[in-house]
Amino acid sequence: EAQVTQNPRYLITVTGKKLTVTCSQNMNHEYMSWYRQDPGLGLRQIYYSMNVEVTDKGDVPEGYKVSRKEKRNFPLILESPSPNQTSLYFCASSKGQTRQETQYFGPGTRLLVL
Amino acid sequence: SQQGEEDPQALSIQEGENATMNCSYKTSINNLQWYRQNSGRGLVHLILIRSNEREKHSGRLRVTLDTSKKSSSLLITASRAADTASYFCATVATDSWGKLQFGAGTQVVVTP
Repeated sequence: EAQVTQNPRYLITVTGKKLTVTCSQNMNHEYMSWYRQDPGLGLRQIYYSMNVEVTDKGDVPEGYKVSRKEKRNFPLILESPSPNQTSLYFCASSKGQTRQETQYFGPGTRLLVL
Repeated sequence: SQQGEEDPQALSIQEGENATMNCSYKTSINNLQWYRQNSGRGLVHLILIRSNEREKHSGRLRVTLDTSKKSSSLLITASRAADTASYFCATVATDSWGKLQFGAGTQVVVTP
């Protein structure tokens, strides 16, 4: 089944403790992206990647890191999480060959930083 | 910064009625997409309309795009209880292919 998977789905952590949220897609998509969703703000893009080893900042990259060493994986790294990073996080992917691409979303990771 | 803004923020209708929601955006776009989200779950793509298109249909969905007014509308005809969800518009700007910018969404409740 074609899908985007994220792990973990739920995470409670404490301020300053490094964490990684994994994202994997099995559709051979070139483009992958991370978003955070907060009440009343919709989705805001954190980072995106057009292809392996190519990453770019979205609208809210501060406090996050990403890497794209393989086509299928795009982990989101919080080196020193803070309470304002408590949010619902979504990974998405698309073919990425043209601008006219729809994105396929993962199920989300709900993060609480104490 | 948010590119799209949906209107209304919330909409409550009865089954069988039509639901219309609007999206306004700020910059020149390559395309505009509508997504649906059931409570706390991942987004599902509904329809994509290109900047050179004015109207598009998909089943009970009808999307219009007016680039002169920088606005789009999504119409759901003959709504069903299963249409209860949040609906988001998202834009791809002409000068930033990789960025997809979402609005805050319209929450639709369809009562039987």
